[in-house]
Amino acid sequence: QKEVEQNSGPLSVPEGAIASLNCTYSDRVSQSFFWYRQYSGKSPELIMSIYSNGDKEDGRFTAQLNKASQYVSLLIRDSQPSDSATYLCAAGGGSYIPTFGRGTSLIVHP
Amino acid sequence: GAGVSQSPSNKVTEKGKDVELRCDPISGHTALYWYRQRLGQGLEFLIYFQGNSAPDKSGLPSDRFSAERTGESVSTLTIQRTQQEDSAVYLCASSLVRGADTQYFGPGTRLTVL
Repeated sequence: QKEVEQNSGPLSVPEGAIASLNCTYSDRVSQSFFWYRQYSGKSPELIMSIYSNGDKEDGRFTAQLNKASQYVSLLIRDSQPSDSATYLCAAGGGSYIPTFGRGTSLIVHP
Repeated sequence: GAGVSQSPSNKVTEKGKDVELRCDPISGHTALYWYRQRLGQGLEFLIYFQGNSAPDKSGLPSDRFSAERTGESVSTLTIQRTQQEDSAVYLCASSLVRGADTQYFGPGTRLTVL
């Protein structure tokens, strides 16, 4: 059974710090990986997608992929209280249906 | 439209009634997904449509749940004889082609079964 594992948290970081969110996946044929942010009571919105090993940076966000270790991470630099949300990791490409993790709750405190 | 739309945004119904939820995907997106999200839980896959192919219904929890989609347009999710455990947010997502592509989520329909 395809699985995507995330620590449920909450992960609490002070404002301005780096938040590190981690995810592992079980399906070795997964080709695409996504990080979604979900605010309480809202639907998920895409933050980052990554397809190749290494780092991908977009503003304050960096996604990291290591296919050999089946590991994906999301770094949020200069964390802001507005970053407080649940972050969902998803793996796709092994089948037509992406597999989502249950999410990590991030709290950025002033 | 600019994004995925869903209606209604909220639905309160009595146990045993049927409900119909609607999803309007982004124009040109051939793949459409329905998910259920119970309070404080992750996304639970329900059903997947890809163009005119037969849908993947492997996530539907019971035969009370059904969904339709005509071509690459609107989809409806129907829940018959609703139960209290059906209370959840029902999310629709669409993507350009298939599961390896980015999914764009609608705002969801919050269903409450009394």
